[in-house]
Amino acid sequence: EAQVTQNPRYLITVTGKKLTVTCSQNMNHEYMSWYRQDPGLGLRQIYYSMNVEVTDKGDVPEGYKVSRKEKRNFPLILESPSPNQTSLYFCASRRGATSTDTQYFGPGTRLTVL
Amino acid sequence: QQQVKQSPQSLIVQKGGISIINCAYENTAFDYFPWYQQFPGKGPALLIAIRPDVSEKKEGRFTISFNKSAKQFSLHIMDSQPGDSATYFCAASLQTGANNLFFGTGTRLTVIP
Repeated sequence: EAQVTQNPRYLITVTGKKLTVTCSQNMNHEYMSWYRQDPGLGLRQIYYSMNVEVTDKGDVPEGYKVSRKEKRNFPLILESPSPNQTSLYFCASRRGATSTDTQYFGPGTRLTVL
Repeated sequence: QQQVKQSPQSLIVQKGGISIINCAYENTAFDYFPWYQQFPGKGPALLIAIRPDVSEKKEGRFTISFNKSAKQFSLHIMDSQPGDSATYFCAASLQTGANNLFFGTGTRLTVIP
């Protein structure tokens, strides 16, 4: 089954404690991205990756890091989480950078930073 | 700055009624307009999309109407069903560049039986 998986699905942590949210896709997609979803703000892109070792900032990259060492994986790293990073996070992938390629989303990770 | 403005924020419709969600954009370079449907606890999923060279696209009970001159597009759900209750996001994208998909703020639709 073609899918994007994220782990963990739920996470409660404290300010300053480094965390990583993993993302993996099994569709051999080149393009992957991370979004955060907040009430009244919709989905905002954090980072994206065109391919292995190619990453770039989205609209709200502050406080986040990513890496793309393998095509299938695109982890999101919060080096020093703060309460304003409490949000619902989605990983997504699509075949290429062409906007008309269907974008597939993971099930989401709900993060709470105390 | 929100690239795509979406309204209403929430919508309650009786079963069998028509649900209408509106979106507006400013960037005339946008050339692809998808709608995503998100059920609670799930990620968004592509529902239907339109290019600006047509004014309407229909797939089953879902129709996108597109007004290029007004820079507006809308989703119509005919014969709304309780199973349509979800959050709907409009989006707009550019063909050039990789950071190229911009989402609206979402509409929570509730269809009452």
